[in-house]
Amino acid sequence: DTEVTQTPKHLVMGMTNKKSLKCEQHMGHRAMYWYKQKAKKPPELMFVYSYEKLSINESVPSRFSPECPNSSLLNLHLHALQPEDSALYLCASSPAGTGNEKLFFGSGTQLSVL
Amino acid sequence: GESVGLHLPTLSVQEGDNSIINCAYSNSASDYFIWYKQESGKGPQFIIDIRSNMDKRQGQRVTVLLNKTVKHLSLQIAATQPGDSAVYFCAENFDSGGSYIPTFGRGTSLIVHP
Repeated sequence: DTEVTQTPKHLVMGMTNKKSLKCEQHMGHRAMYWYKQKAKKPPELMFVYSYEKLSINESVPSRFSPECPNSSLLNLHLHALQPEDSALYLCASSPAGTGNEKLFFGSGTQLSVL
Repeated sequence: GESVGLHLPTLSVQEGDNSIINCAYSNSASDYFIWYKQESGKGPQFIIDIRSNMDKRQGQRVTVLLNKTVKHLSLQIAATQPGDSAVYFCAENFDSGGSYIPTFGRGTSLIVHP
């Protein structure tokens, strides 16, 4: 299995909702990442987990809460989002957990906040 | 030709031509660089990488050139095909206090006309 799988593919939520994005990989990779991508813009790093520990938080608002239950799974919990948080949320993984290596991306969750 | 402005830079080429996509990176301490291809509705996919101790690396139909003096990276695609149409991002990795930060550049949209 050489894929990073993200669910759901699309999500529409209101500003008072709580939802979660899920990401899974079975390649034995030790680092996992969340990126946010607006239309026609590059992906922006949000969080990095290395060996199941949060190693990087790029000053992301607390309405985004990451969780890494085990080395194969990564969640992003969403609460009280704003319309400007609408974007494509990409999950990625990398093999050794050093961060200095290529990333394997999922297809993303397209999030709309109403 | 290539157009650069407030929106995503675009490069239009004819099928069979060679394409050159350029990228200026920001951090002189970056030591690993990657080119990704992103097709519509998908996450970025790895194309080719290069470390800072090299100035050229070749793959199948693709070549990456690195000029550290001017902090410039380029991706050359030989005999461009319609399937090469996508957005291309360069990414740089730099060490931020022991953690590597993978950071994407602005991106270039490549359009290949049959």
